[in-house]
Amino acid sequence: KAGVTQTPRYLIKTRGQQVTLSCSPISGHRSVSWYQQTPGQGLQFLFEYFSETQRNKGNFPGRFSGRQFSNSRSEMNVSTLELGDSALYLCASRSGTGPYEQYFGPGTRLTVT
Amino acid sequence: TQLLEQSPQFLSIQEGENLTVYCNSSSVFSSLQWYRQEPGEGPVLLVTVVTGGEVKKLKRLTFQFGDARKDSSLHITAAQPGDTGLYLCAGAGETSGSRLTFGEGTQLTVNP
Repeated sequence: KAGVTQTPRYLIKTRGQQVTLSCSPISGHRSVSWYQQTPGQGLQFLFEYFSETQRNKGNFPGRFSGRQFSNSRSEMNVSTLELGDSALYLCASRSGTGPYEQYFGPGTRLTVT
Repeated sequence: TQLLEQSPQFLSIQEGENLTVYCNSSSVFSSLQWYRQEPGEGPVLLVTVVTGGEVKKLKRLTFQFGDARKDSSLHITAAQPGDTGLYLCAGAGETSGSRLTFGEGTQLTVNP
């Protein structure tokens, strides 16, 4: 099976712009979660989508949003980018049942200048 | 808020040495996972433990889940340079769904 894929791998944006990141989960996985990883805060949970519905949400401002499509692919959007949004954004998928094993993609490195 | 404390934060050892990384919390987790992450890549799942007192072995790596499901340890025997990486523990709460709480990570460097 192919693993979790994320596009793009690298992105440079300017403050105030918006950005959309894409994630394709492992085939058959219906749950997609997004995490932000920074040197200071480590990995922090953004939100989880299951069957096109947001099932769980972390403590991030409303500028961070996401959605999931019927084929389980997911996108996350960040509007009005701030310098502090520079981070590695990771997508993880799981089947949706059983132990909460999550499989991560390679991440999108976002740099805000 | 569930927190996971990992120690040590940094570890630099010589090839062939043994080491243990600890992951502690005051909260109970329904399952706990260990990941290894290389620079610029996503975390790779090593193991999931779900039962208190559970011990799992993966070649030279031994993982243990505490009896009360609040803590875990990762022991590496005869470390090799290929073991170098960031080791992360992550817990799933009993009511938090698949929302994982991550420890800060242990940066392991194994010198040849």
